Amino acid sequence: EVQLLESGGGLVQPGGSLRLSCEASGFTFSTHAMAWVRQAPGQGLEWISSISYSADTTYYAASVKGRFTISRDNSKNTLFLQMNSLRAEDTAVYYCVDDFRGNGMYGWFDPWGQGTLVTVSS
Amino acid sequence: DIQMTQSPSSVSASVGDRVTITCRASQGILSRLAWYQQKPGKAPKILIYEASTLQSGVPSRFSGSGSGTDFSLTISNLHPEDVATYYCQQAKSFPLTFGGGTKVEIK
Repeated sequence: EVQLLESGGGLVQPGGSLRLSCEASGFTFSTHAMAWVRQAPGQGLEWISSISYSADTTYYAASVKGRFTISRDNSKNTLFLQMNSLRAEDTAVYYCVDDFRGNGMYGWFDPWGQGTLVTVSS
Repeated sequence: DIQMTQSPSSVSASVGDRVTITCRASQGILSRLAWYQQKPGKAPKILIYEASTLQSGVPSRFSGSGSGTDFSLTISNLHPEDVATYYCQQAKSFPLTFGGGTKVEIK
């Protein structure tokens, strides 16, 4: 069974940093592009970043570019999101998602992790 | 950026009804569209990708159609467990973008 397990969320002050992790299992992680999608409380879905299976290509939403960094460790089947200079508007549930078609960056996300809540507040 | 506009924002229908949700892209996206279902308190789940390809395990009462700028998701026979918010998403180009969502309720 394909599983994605996020961790690292929590309460952080504005301007602070947080690193999210996503441990993957049940599929060949090193052949799948991955991404992060977030959802602010009561709001819709916002894609924020994608990374190719080999980590040589990354994309970011304008809202996080220059502050967030996506990375992966294929030897540990783990995806990361380093979040710096956090703002109140970054408060959201952050989902780790598998670009399930494999090899390329197709943009089709399945499955989704359970999500980890990041709250930016003083 | 490609803007995705869904309508309606909410719909209330009876069990057994046919429900159709539409999604319009601000520019042509070929068939690069997915539909997701998000039940209350849960993570989203993909239903359809490439505009009309049903993801494995998804009931056949869900179907998708369209290409270019206009797309639709149809639930042919509404079940109580279909109560959820549905999102479209374009995968034609980065930044990937989602529609605002359509909340489906039972009348």
